[in-house]
Amino acid sequence: DVKVTQSSRYLVKRTGEKVFLECVQDMDHENMFWYRQDPGLGLRLIYFSYDVKMKEKGDIPEGYSVSREKKERFSLILESASTNQTSMYLCASSPGTGIRQPQHFGDGTRLSIL
Amino acid sequence: DAKTTQPNSMESNEEEPVHLPCNHSTISGTDYIHWYRQLPSQGPEYVIHGLTSNVNNRMASLAIAEDRKSSTLILHRATLRDAAVYYCTVNNAGNMLTFGGGTRLMVKP
Repeated sequence: DVKVTQSSRYLVKRTGEKVFLECVQDMDHENMFWYRQDPGLGLRLIYFSYDVKMKEKGDIPEGYSVSREKKERFSLILESASTNQTSMYLCASSPGTGIRQPQHFGDGTRLSIL
Repeated sequence: DAKTTQPNSMESNEEEPVHLPCNHSTISGTDYIHWYRQLPSQGPEYVIHGLTSNVNNRMASLAIAEDRKSSTLILHRATLRDAAVYYCTVNNAGNMLTFGGGTRLMVKP
C-alpha cells in the first residue's frame, strides 16, 4: 500500500515564526500536493509538484512556499506564520501525469498559530 | 474548473444501501469524477472514480448520468465503519482535484 507520511500530527507555533511541514511518500510517485482543510470550506489546494524541483501554485498559495529537492519529499513552508494559517494541512501524492490517477493522502498535520 | 455540489448530510440504517448524490454541471468532457471519504482524524481515502461508464469496486459503485452532470456513489450495505464525510471531486487534465464541502454520512445501528 502507498504510504504518505506527514512529520507531525499536531504542531503549535507562534506568529511570525517560519514553519516547515514535511511530507514523504514511499511509492515513487511523480505528483505531490499540499492542501489545507477548514470547516465549511472543504479542501483547498495550496501548491503541487509534478517533478523534483518543480512547483505550481494552487488556489491559495499566498503566504506559503514549497520545496521538492527529492522525489519522495515535499515540504510546505510558512514564511512568517499568521493566525489565519491555523488549519489542518494535508499532503497527497499520485503516480504519473495521467488524469485518472487517484491521490493518496497522509493523515494530516493540525497546525495552531498562537 | 468544475465545481461539485453535495448535500451536507445524510442518514442511513446499518445493512441498508446508501445513495450519495453529487452534481457537477460544469464538468468538461475529459474530467474524471472521483470520490473520496474521510474518517475522523484521518486524511481522505480514495473510494472510486469514473469517466462515463458506471464503475464497481470492492468498496462501492459509481453511477454516472448520461449527460455526466451528476453522479451517485452507492454503498450496497452500509456499516457503522462507513460513517464518514464523502467528497465528490472532479479531476481535470492537470490532475488537480476540486473538493466541495462533502456529505457527512451517519449510519444508525
